[in-house]
Order: sequence, then C-alpha cells, then structure tokens
Amino acid sequence: DSGVTQTPKHLITATGQRVTLRCSPRSGDLSVYWYQQSLDQGLQFLIQYYNGEERAKGNILERFSAQQFPDLHSELNLSSLELGDSALYFCASSGQAANTGELFFGEGSRLTVL
Amino acid sequence: AQKVTQAQTEISVVEKEDVTLDCVYETRDTTYYLFWYKQPPSGELVFLIRRNSFDEQNEISGRYSWNFQKSTSSFNFTITASQVVDSAVYFCALSSFSGSARQLTFGSGTQLTVLP
Repeated sequence: DSGVTQTPKHLITATGQRVTLRCSPRSGDLSVYWYQQSLDQGLQFLIQYYNGEERAKGNILERFSAQQFPDLHSELNLSSLELGDSALYFCASSGQAANTGELFFGEGSRLTVL
Repeated sequence: AQKVTQAQTEISVVEKEDVTLDCVYETRDTTYYLFWYKQPPSGELVFLIRRNSFDEQNEISGRYSWNFQKSTSSFNFTITASQVVDSAVYFCALSSFSGSARQLTFGSGTQLTVLP
C-alpha cells in the first residue's frame, strides 16, 4: 500500500461526458502528479501540483484540467470525453524524497469511454 | 530533454530461467535518478529500486539485481530463477530536472511472461 488513494477505481461513461478523478496523496506529501496510461501511448505525464500550485505541465489536453486543494487532495477533470481518452489514470505523490523524483503511485482509476 | 528506451516489448521465459530487461536512457543532467517499477496484472505500479547517477555499484536484492553503467547509459534489470509471479510489465524511469521541477519519464515498458 503506497498510501496514495484514488477514486473511483473504475468508471464507465459515454463520449461527450465529463468526469472527475480524485486523489489523496500520502500524508505529508506536498506534490501530486497525474499520469495517463493508454495502450498505445504508455505512461504519459500530465501535470504536477505542489502545495496547491501548478508546478509542471506535460502532455495534458486542453479538455483536461486539474487542481490541488488546501487539504492537498487533487482532482483531475476530463471533459468532452472521446473514445481515445479511455485509459488508466494514475495519481502519484512525493514528499521528502521529492528531490530524487521518486513517486508513490495510487492504484489508478480506469476510465472507459463508450 | 530526457528519454528512456526499453527496446524489448515482450519477453517470454520458462520458470527458473534468468532474464534481463534492458533500459537505455538519455539526459543532459549530471545528477539524475533511475528507477524500476513493476506493474502486475492488477494494474498498480510498484516501486522496485532507485539509483542516483553517482552510484554505479550494482545492487542485488534477493532474486533481483541491477546493473548500472554510466558509460553506456544503461540500467539493466535481471531476475534470477524467474517465477510465474514475476509476470508483469516492468518500467524503467528517469528523473531529471525540467524547468523548476523534477519529472519522472518512463520507458514504454517490457511485458515479461514467465511460463510454468
């Protein structure tokens, strides 16, 4: 158990819809990262937050947005969903080991867009 | 920019065989970290090891061993006497600075299947 909690574990929705994925980092970790794992793209970095502020941005689509709240939990919002958005979305956190880049991953949220 | 290459997409071995997973990386940083993660069929990502760029000592942990060679920019992972439970996707990853933050870049993964 990494200490990172993601909900929901599974989500099935239709094209054009909007979903919100939630992540609670390990206790004390200030950084939260979102990754997308799809079959053809591998593990892609989406975005990072540190103590409520956006720190780095990767290959995140404009239809996607994220935020980190004062209690440090984070949400990833995916809108106008397309079939290609079906993927496993991972949240990860880092804290004391942040300077090494070591991340602790949640179990992922599997999104299926029909 | 950093890049991690895992040229082996899929490997299949018979139980008790040794298997080596290759990882080659590219970075301009002088200080960086390398990782291996395991993703079993259940889907979660399990941290296996971290090495920093200044420590080229090989490491052994039970049946797992890692060979870090800076001269060839490689960080290979060997499983000795493989077991069916080792079947998983294994990811090599590199952490280096991008802008003001460290980012973890993953290779495309190697699917290891251990047959009984």
